[in-house]
Amino acid sequence: EVRLVESGGNFVQPGGSLRLSCTASGFTFSDYWMHWVRQGPGKGLEWVANIKEDGRETYYGDSVKGRFTISRDNAWHSLYLDIDSLKVEDTAVYFCAAGQHFADCLDFWGRGTPVTVSS
Amino acid sequence: SSELIQPLSVSVALGQTAKITCGAANIGMKNVHWYQHKSGQAPVLVIYRSRQRPAGIPERFSGSNSGNVATLTIIEAQAGDEAVYYCQVWDYTTDYVFGSGTEVTVL
Repeated sequence: EVRLVESGGNFVQPGGSLRLSCTASGFTFSDYWMHWVRQGPGKGLEWVANIKEDGRETYYGDSVKGRFTISRDNAWHSLYLDIDSLKVEDTAVYFCAAGQHFADCLDFWGRGTPVTVSS
Repeated sequence: SSELIQPLSVSVALGQTAKITCGAANIGMKNVHWYQHKSGQAPVLVIYRSRQRPAGIPERFSGSNSGNVATLTIIEAQAGDEAVYYCQVWDYTTDYVFGSGTEVTVL
């Protein structure tokens, strides 16, 4: 059974930092592009970032460039998202997702971890 | 721009057919993917590359894509199909883009 389990979501003040984690099982993690997607309160899905199977390429959405860093550890089947300079508008549920091909669909998703940015 | 336009909501009678549209200029030239998202759960891929169905997705779900509109069709709608459905494409200028989401209600 494919599983993606996110963790690390928390209540943070504006300007703060956070690391989100995602642990994968049930598929060959190193064969998949990995993504972070978020959903703000009352909003739709927004793609945040992705990382190539070997970790050598990363891409970011315009709204997070320069503040978010995606990384992975294939030995531990884990995906990470380091978030700096948090803004109120970063408040969202953050989903981890896996896609077998670049520029294609996201095959598997986790349930998400909530991040709240507020003073 | 690859803004994807979806209706806010669609209602369908139990056992009937629901059609959810996703509009954008020349979307028929792109691969469109559809996700089912129930509150508090992981989103699920229900259609990929416009008309392909992943393993485990019922044949009641189908997709089409032509011109400026992609469509997700659910036949014989069941209570368990109630969810928000999102379309998604990849564009070289905007990366991964999701539609605004359509809430499907089964009456």
